[in-house]
Amino acid sequence: QIQLVQSGGEVTKPGASVKVSCKASGYTFTNYGISWVRQAPGQGLEWIGWINGYNGVTKYPQNLQDRVIMTMDTSRSTAYMELRSLRSDDTAVYYCARDPDKTSRFDPWGQGTQVIVSS
Amino acid sequence: QSALTQTASVSGSPGQSITISCTGTSSDVGAYNYVSWYQQHPGKAPKVMIYDVNNRPSGVSNRFSGSKSGNTASLTISGLLPEDEGDYYCSSFTSHNTWVFGGGTKLTVL
Repeated sequence: QIQLVQSGGEVTKPGASVKVSCKASGYTFTNYGISWVRQAPGQGLEWIGWINGYNGVTKYPQNLQDRVIMTMDTSRSTAYMELRSLRSDDTAVYYCARDPDKTSRFDPWGQGTQVIVSS
Repeated sequence: QSALTQTASVSGSPGQSITISCTGTSSDVGAYNYVSWYQQHPGKAPKVMIYDVNNRPSGVSNRFSGSKSGNTASLTISGLLPEDEGDYYCSSFTSHNTWVFGGGTKLTVL
């Protein structure tokens, strides 16, 4: 079945970086993009970027474009989200989701990766 | 990009129907038919219930339906069941080639 499996939770310090992976299975990785979404404790969903699974083109929201980098390894069918210069308000669950072109259907989603930023 | 506007909470009794609205602008909801709705239960990942305004993925109950008028999209759930309780989020593509979510609506089934 189509599945996205994310890496485990991370506890890290302010100013550091974190890199979360998202391994896809059950479909052709290069035929779809991957979007990343985060959810701070008790808060709503926030879209934090997208990577094209075919050519690696990325798109980030303006508020994060200086700190987030999305990459991929097509040989491993894996997408990566790296967030730099971490702050306490980056504490959140980070999700990846398959993002087809020309549709609004984020499906499926990964199980989520808890990232805690604390001194 | 500001979040789409959703009512914070809504409630209904089993068997009733409820509607959740999602208001954006002419640069997102009003501009594209790329509006989706996600259900989220506590501690779980979101699940798509409606995509492209009014399309339902296979496996999602036909009690869920979506629509859009101008800058406002709506999700209607008919015949409420206890398992429908949870948080619901709308999402829309934007003129900046980004995605924006609503603030979420907590549905309580009384």
